[in-house]
Amino acid sequence: QKEVEQDPGPLSVPEGAIVSLNCTYSNSAFQYFMWYRQYSRKGPELLMYTYSSGNKEDGRFTAQVDKSSKYISLFIRDSQPSDSATYLCAIGYGNNRLAFGKGNQVVVIP
Amino acid sequence: DAGITQSPRYKITETGRQVTLMCHQTWSHSYMFWYRQDLGHGLRLIYYSAAADITDKGEVPDGYVVSRSKTENFPLTLESATRSQTSVYFCASSEPGLGRTEAFFGQGTRLTVV
Repeated sequence: QKEVEQDPGPLSVPEGAIVSLNCTYSNSAFQYFMWYRQYSRKGPELLMYTYSSGNKEDGRFTAQVDKSSKYISLFIRDSQPSDSATYLCAIGYGNNRLAFGKGNQVVVIP
Repeated sequence: DAGITQSPRYKITETGRQVTLMCHQTWSHSYMFWYRQDLGHGLRLIYYSAAADITDKGEVPDGYVVSRSKTENFPLTLESATRSQTSVYFCASSEPGLGRTEAFFGQGTRLTVV
């Protein structure tokens, strides 16, 4: 079983909608949780970083971690066409390594 | 320019040939990583390095060789390329500190093995 599960289905939403993405993980020792955004033919870039349960907000983005359920989420409010990208959850573990989910391709339709 | 640079950006090679993908970072980060990205698999770790002359296997190391003689460079070599190694390869770097583990990625090398 892969340590980080992310349903890789694409998601199309109208502009202004709320986008909800989530991942589950298996190892309760994981401590650091990230969301990366990847535009087409580009490298992933860090979007959100958290290491505790609860919510973290940054503008229109909210990252949520529930360690008891081993569940992490990303919400994008008031989605914009510029948010169209692939979103990857990632979890940090030993030696600064990252385990990634498979990613969700999000398309925001104007 | 500061950052992490990969070269070449695109490469087509034949089965059985040796090919080396280059990665250079200007931050002096301790850790460097090679990932491959494939549809249906996401990003998978090939090799990583904690410092110069220290390397270790990741999730999918077979068929690859790495070296790190200098902190800033981390080349990845495919000793005898196979079609299954057709992929997009990303180099990344990170620096441990205050418990943070986020990595910074290059733009990727799109490799096609024919």
